Amino acid sequence: KQEVTQIPAALSVPEGENLVLNCSFTDSAIYNLQWFRQDPGKGLTSLLLIQSSQREQTSGRLNASLDKSSGRSTLYIAASQPGDSATYLCASPIWRYGGSQGNLIFGKGTKLSVKP
Amino acid sequence: EAQVTQNPRYLITVTGKKLTVTCSQNMNHEYMSWYRQDPGLGLRQIYYSMNVEVTDKGDVPEGYKVSRKEKRNFPLILESPSPNQTSLYFCASSLWFGQPQHFGDGTRLSIL
Repeated sequence: KQEVTQIPAALSVPEGENLVLNCSFTDSAIYNLQWFRQDPGKGLTSLLLIQSSQREQTSGRLNASLDKSSGRSTLYIAASQPGDSATYLCASPIWRYGGSQGNLIFGKGTKLSVKP
Repeated sequence: EAQVTQNPRYLITVTGKKLTVTCSQNMNHEYMSWYRQDPGLGLRQIYYSMNVEVTDKGDVPEGYKVSRKEKRNFPLILESPSPNQTSLYFCASSLWFGQPQHFGDGTRLSIL
């Protein structure tokens, strides 16, 4: 069964710092790897999606990488800002029998706090 | 505006009283899903639907029912709610499975 783990559970950094959030998964036969942001009291917002055939994906100050062989994905945030404070979650769809099963497995998230 | 709408946003009710949480999307998405989010346990999938009339269980389906009679709607039904179903619930949709999901703002349920 696919397990998705995010370490650390919480991270506090000063404004302007570059930072890396980690996501590891146990089953390398992933369909893709998705990163989301969740603000307090809100639903999730999709940030980046990396297909299994890709190595990285970029959007503005965000860069996500994928290494299936090691079961890892990282989300790099450049020049962090207080507005980046949120919980970041990664998720992996399950791949089975040549097609995805329909399940999306989430990590528990990393709560990021960027101090002014 | 493209969105996923859940209702109600908040509900306090009692054990055993049937309730339905509605979910509607206006993006013509095929895939829809329900999740619950609990402290320390994260986000867990309850049920999902690949398309109209096609539904399947996620990781925690016990005590829940769903239906997908129309593409836009995917209600979550608690036939006999119990206190362990107190949680924050999210509905989400995507064009098809594996595509970026759009989430509703959540429904906070308290079962007394």
